[in-house]
Amino acid sequence: GAVVSQHPSRVICKSGTSVKIECRSLDFQATTMFWYRQFPKQSLMLMATSNEGSKATYEQGVEKDKFLINHASLTLSTLTVTSAHPEDSSFYICSATLGSTDTQYFGPGTRLTVL
Amino acid sequence: AQSVAQPEDQVNVAEGNPLTVKCTYSVSGNPYLFWYVQYPNRGLQFLLKYITGDNLVKGSYGFEAEFNKSQTSFHLKKPSALVSDSALYFCAVRGRGYQLIWGAGTKLIIKP
Repeated sequence: GAVVSQHPSRVICKSGTSVKIECRSLDFQATTMFWYRQFPKQSLMLMATSNEGSKATYEQGVEKDKFLINHASLTLSTLTVTSAHPEDSSFYICSATLGSTDTQYFGPGTRLTVL
Repeated sequence: AQSVAQPEDQVNVAEGNPLTVKCTYSVSGNPYLFWYVQYPNRGLQFLLKYITGDNLVKGSYGFEAEFNKSQTSFHLKKPSALVSDSALYFCAVRGRGYQLIWGAGTKLIIKP
């Protein structure tokens, strides 16, 4: 149980285009989802916390107009990287929590490469 | 401020030997502590957590962790390491809401 999927697993795009990454909780309803960014050989950097039906809460320094997060249902959150630039290239990981439990379950990640 | 420290960037262990990956924390109140493992180019997998109760927590893949309140530590252990245990290990503590505060990660290398 508690499986989280992400799609796509890899994406290559041209500079200036937008990319959407989906995060789904497959066998549970996730009241809260998190979006992380991970640089090579580094820890996870929390970008935003997303609650179903409400606006995402962004961490300091994360541009909300560039990283659009939508949490339309209890099983789906999307992250759209708008007007992507090479510096946005990174590994993006989502996670979801099961109701009142504290455990976060992670998706497999999305490798974004912006040319 | 709440924080997590993993003092070792890398830990090398021979296969079959016991392993320990260290983690110390700083929180106000009772800590909720977690260990996750990450394999190359993959997301994180939950190993175990401590919320309350027994100080020795057993988790997935034969791992366990010992909560030590006086030393504010939550070290990850396994009695006999496998080559397949080689991965990046993260310790985390619950912050505000359900957010996790992450350690920097420790690369575990198990040599045959």
